[in-house]
Amino acid sequence: QKEVEQNSGPLSVPEGAIASLNCTYSDRGSQSFFWYRQYSGKSPELIMFIYSNGDKEDGRFTAQLNKASQYVSLLIRDSQPSDSATYLCAVNRGPGAGSYQLTFGKGTKLSVIP
Amino acid sequence: EAQVTQNPRYLITVTGKKLTVTCSQNMNHEYMSWYRQDPGLGLRQIYYSMNVEVTDKGDVPEGYKVSRKEKRNFPLILESPSPNQTSLYFCASRDSGRNSYNEQFFGPGTRLTVL
Repeated sequence: QKEVEQNSGPLSVPEGAIASLNCTYSDRGSQSFFWYRQYSGKSPELIMFIYSNGDKEDGRFTAQLNKASQYVSLLIRDSQPSDSATYLCAVNRGPGAGSYQLTFGKGTKLSVIP
Repeated sequence: EAQVTQNPRYLITVTGKKLTVTCSQNMNHEYMSWYRQDPGLGLRQIYYSMNVEVTDKGDVPEGYKVSRKEKRNFPLILESPSPNQTSLYFCASRDSGRNSYNEQFFGPGTRLTVL
């Protein structure tokens, strides 16, 4: 059974601080990793993906991947109240046939306090 | 505008009354999928389709059917809905699944209540 684990939160951070969201996965064959943001009642939207060990930066967001530890994280710098949402970690076992399925974690709820 | 559409967005029905939730995408994506989202359980995949006439079960397929007769459409069918199928449903699509990091686009969601 492929599993993706996240702390459910809520994670509360003050405005301007760094929010750190963590995700672990059980399938060592996993190839690529995604972070989605979901506002309450809305559909998930992709923030970042990463497939190589190390860091990947996009604006205020940094994704970090450590395949040896089966760990992926998302850092949000200069957190804003508009970042308050649930963050979903998703894992893909591809390329090839396994890439057709994404396994999602249950999400971490982030609250940025003004 | 590239998008995934679902209809209806909200539906209240009664136990046993067959219903269909439609899903359509205009991005010529090969891969489409249905998820349900429940509090505390996260997003769980119901069925997915790798291309026309090719479908397979996800993690929670019981009580659901799907079909993929055209590339753009992937309807979700509940032959005899039950209250435990009350949930928020999302349709999603991706380009060729062979590229594992292709972005998956989600529809706006359908909130279903079965009484």
